[in-house]
Amino acid sequence: DAKTTQPPSMDCAEGRAANLPCNHSTISGNEYVYWYRQIHSQGPQYIIHGLKNNETNEMASLIITEDRKSSTLILPHATLRDTAVYYCIVRVEAYSGAGSYQLTFGKGTKLSVIP
Amino acid sequence: GAVVSQHPSRVICKSGTSVKIECRSLDFQATTMFWYRQFPKQSLMLMATSNEGSKATYEQGVEKDKFLINHASLTLSTLTVTSAHPEDSSFYICSAGTGSSYNSPLHFGNGTRLTVT
Repeated sequence: DAKTTQPPSMDCAEGRAANLPCNHSTISGNEYVYWYRQIHSQGPQYIIHGLKNNETNEMASLIITEDRKSSTLILPHATLRDTAVYYCIVRVEAYSGAGSYQLTFGKGTKLSVIP
Repeated sequence: GAVVSQHPSRVICKSGTSVKIECRSLDFQATTMFWYRQFPKQSLMLMATSNEGSKATYEQGVEKDKFLINHASLTLSTLTVTSAHPEDSSFYICSAGTGSSYNSPLHFGNGTRLTVT
């Protein structure tokens, strides 16, 4: 499994962009980068994923470097409700081989949005 | 969007009893569901992979006779914690995939907080 490295914590001022980095230097060519977040006492919430190209959706943008060894999740205008632990995960196949897959969670980055 | 529902959200039980947790995919069929456990201030740890119509696959160190998994239909998987002990107190979370394509995201339930007294 490709491993990811994230800073343990970050602060961001409300209304500013939050840029969360992730290193995944051992990622292989067909592995996607996924981002999830977990608000306290809830299940993880899917944010975004990508392979090579930068991606954007209604929640965030994902910037992947050309060599794919690192990526950055961008929350363009952070709000207090974005305070959560953010997980960067590289996907692996599950045992079933049926197209579903497991996600291996690291420790993530605890983002605190400050008023 | 895809919704995964877990029930109950909280349960308190006495030591030695069994507890069943349900995980349902509400608007899609899930051939595979995953069960995770999360202790306070720690990350999610995969316990087992639940396959519809076949035996679950357990991660190393997870006792299959203690954590019984049944995936009887394409929309329901259950986790039963048998003979629960205080050390089984944890946050249990299930997840399911929406499709068979390689890059389909997994969606998670909101978890079940188990407290064994």
